[in-house]
Amino acid sequence: QKEVEQNSGPLSVPEGAIASLNCTYSDRGSQSFFWYRQYSGKSPELIMFIYSNGDKEDGRFTAQLNKASQYVSLLIRDSQPSDSATYLCAVRRSNFGNEKLTFGTGTRLTIIP
Amino acid sequence: DADVTQTPRNRITKTGKRIMLECSQTKGHDRMYWYRQDPGLGLRLIYYSFDVKDINKGEISDGYSVSRQAQAKFSLSLESAIPNQTALYFCATSAGRGGANTQYFGPGTRLTVL
Repeated sequence: QKEVEQNSGPLSVPEGAIASLNCTYSDRGSQSFFWYRQYSGKSPELIMFIYSNGDKEDGRFTAQLNKASQYVSLLIRDSQPSDSATYLCAVRRSNFGNEKLTFGTGTRLTIIP
Repeated sequence: DADVTQTPRNRITKTGKRIMLECSQTKGHDRMYWYRQDPGLGLRLIYYSFDVKDINKGEISDGYSVSRQAQAKFSLSLESAIPNQTALYFCATSAGRGGANTQYFGPGTRLTVL
């Protein structure tokens, strides 16, 4: 079982709709969860992070965490063509930054105009 | 702007050659990391350093070595390059304790080993 699993996609979503990206992780000791966006040939850039169970909103993006189910998701509202990218989920065991990040392989998202 | 830079951005080399990839940062971060990215395999950690005197192996360190010359500089070396080291290499940095300890990535180096 991979430590961090994501559906590789591609996930196609019409412009203006909600895109839902999912990630599961195997280590119950994981404490911090990150979503990165990566355009083709470019470096990953942080979208948001979440520590606590529940939802965290930042503009059009909402991260959802359920530690009991070992599940974290990213919702993108009002999807735009510029949201077309690969989205990487990353997990860290400690809250104190002493542990490395483990990345999933990413979900490729395509927004259809 | 505080930034993470990598040189070179692209490199084509031959099997057996020694290659050095360099990373510099102006973010003032203590922690630096080297990753490689391959299609279908995601980002995998090669080495990481939490300060100048601290170097740690990641999950795929075989065939690689690193040097932390200063807080702002972290170099990755391939002593004798082989074709399966063809990949996209990223350097990343993060602050020490406190906050999200978010990792910030450089622009990447595309390495091709023939």
